[in-house]
Formats: sequence, structure tokens, C-alpha cells
Amino acid sequence: DGGITQSPKYLFRKEGQNVTLSCEQNLNHDAMYWYRQDPGQGLRLIYYSQIVNDFQKGDIAEGYSVSREKKESFPLTVTSAQKNPTAFYLCASSAGQGPDTQYFGPGTRLTVL
Amino acid sequence: AQKITQTQPGMFVQEKEAVTLDCTYDTSDPSYGLFWYKQPSSGEMIFLIYQGSYDQQNATEGRYSLNFQKARKSANLVISASQLGDSAMYFCAMREGSSSNYQLIWGAGTKLIIKP
Repeated sequence: DGGITQSPKYLFRKEGQNVTLSCEQNLNHDAMYWYRQDPGQGLRLIYYSQIVNDFQKGDIAEGYSVSREKKESFPLTVTSAQKNPTAFYLCASSAGQGPDTQYFGPGTRLTVL
Repeated sequence: AQKITQTQPGMFVQEKEAVTLDCTYDTSDPSYGLFWYKQPSSGEMIFLIYQGSYDQQNATEGRYSLNFQKARKSANLVISASQLGDSAMYFCAMREGSSSNYQLIWGAGTKLIIKP
């Protein structure tokens, strides 16, 4: 089955700690994305990558970092510099051509204690 | 200015009725794409339907259709014969063709509740 997996589903961390959210896809998609969603809100783009070893900041990149060493993987690190990290994080991927529909993983809910 | 506007924060609809979710957009780019996604309470975003700006016919996917009125810059989602499982948040999104980074611009969403 092709799809996008995110782990863990729920994550708790203490203030001041960095934490890494996993995102893996086996759709052979070139592009991958990280979004943040706050309660009752729409999606805001954190980072995106159109190709391996390259990524760009989205609208709210401060306090986050990413890497794209493999086509299948796009991990997101929430650093201690992120002032309000409690949120729902969604990873997506797309073919990078044509309609370029984005397909999403199940999401990770991060809570900072 | 908002590029994607969803004017209905919430809607209640009786089961088996049709429902229309509104979406208006703003772009000067002649090439663009419009997407609708469903987000149930589990959180996952599910792709429903896509309409390209040059598509001559309205897109349809099963019970979903997109009422695309280009001159009015509207792309309303129509769900026929609604079911209890349709209760969810629905988001409209746009990608402008001139964008080199394939970013989607998202609306704020509409919460749809289907009543039995």
C-alpha cells in the first residue's frame, strides 16, 4: 500500500527540549511539505522540499528545521526556539508536476508540557 | 487580501440532503488549480476533488462535484445525498500556476455536521 506515514501520533515534550517528527512516503513523490494546524484554524506551511538535498522555508519556519537526505523521508525538528510548539503537525507529499495534488499523512499531535 | 475565502464557519445539514460548501478565490494568474480536502475528527486531510482553471467541465468524483464559476471566481463543493460520515471540516485550497514552489493557499475551512 502506498502512502505517507507519520510517527508518533501523539508526542509530549518538556519545554526547552528539541523533538523530531518523522514523515515517510512510498509514493515516489519528489515534493514534500510540513504544515502546522492550530485548533479551529487552517494549515500554515512550515517548510517544503521539491527535491532531495534541497528545501525552502514556508510562512512560519522560525523555530523549526528540516532535512531531506532521502527522497522518502522529510523529518521535522521542533527546536526549543519555537515559542509555542503545541499544535497538530501534518506532512504531505506531491508528485511535483501536473495537478500536483498533495496527499497527507495522519498527523502528529505535539504537546509541550 | 484573502486569496481563499470560505464564508461558512459551520453548517448543519439533514442526512440525505445535498449540501453546498462555498469557496471564493482571488488571483490574477490565468493558470491555477483549486482543491477541496476533508478533515474528519481523526485529523488526516483527505483529498476530494481538483479543478484546473482551464478545465472546460466541472470536476466530479463520486458524490462530490465542484461548481466552478470562473467569472465569479467561485469553486463551491457540492456533496450529493449527504451521509453521517460526511461530518468533518472541509478546506478549499488554491495553487497559482506562476508559483514556482507549488505552494497551496488554504482557506479557513467549514465545519459540516450531518444530522440524522
